[in-house]
Amino acid sequence: QQPVQSPQAVILREGEDAVINCSSSKALYSVHWYRQKHGEAPVFLMILLKGGEQKGHEKISASFNEKKQQSSLYLTASQLSYSGTYFCGTELAQGDSWGKLQFGAGTQVVVTP
Amino acid sequence: GAVVSQHPSRVICKSGTSVKIECRSLDFQATTMFWYRQFPKQSLMLMATSNEGSKATYEQGVEKDKFLINHASLTLSTLTVTSAHPEDSSFYICSARIQGADTQYFGPGTRLTVL
Repeated sequence: QQPVQSPQAVILREGEDAVINCSSSKALYSVHWYRQKHGEAPVFLMILLKGGEQKGHEKISASFNEKKQQSSLYLTASQLSYSGTYFCGTELAQGDSWGKLQFGAGTQVVVTP
Repeated sequence: GAVVSQHPSRVICKSGTSVKIECRSLDFQATTMFWYRQFPKQSLMLMATSNEGSKATYEQGVEKDKFLINHASLTLSTLTVTSAHPEDSSFYICSARIQGADTQYFGPGTRLTVL
């Protein structure tokens, strides 16, 4: 049930763009994106609900393709503060899974000057 | 955003002792809270769902007698690691969901070290 995240890691120079993908083999109700810095808890970035919406948070945006059960997180014009590990958390579209998030393995993002 | 606190932030204990971790929603009521565990360089794994006023539900492979969960009020859930062993050393994180909303907010986490 754990979603598959790719890539495992990405190194960017400040100002460059990156895409992180998250896919599930099961029907999803929602996809949640978090960023975690070393030694800290994950910080909520955004949530996408089924319906194929796209959201944005500063220069970070995400989309959710309900047909493919895939979500992508877009880091645009990356800043040094974007460094960290990004996790997608997926909530299945079935009654007994309400609120339960299954997390991908994470994508480590390093932004260099 | 909503604020979730955890206490303590760090705890070191001897093998065989019990440790209690508190998770509080500070500015909202949470009928449901979730407990996760994260080992170094790994992802977050859901341990259990804490429901106010009823028994917690545990994920497969999580021992309910070892990880006792109590959700006594709409703002407080506690996780007690009983008879802790070194392999229980981990980062324990709770999350809470605002009633009627979909967003989950995480607490700052508790780093448990069992000697």
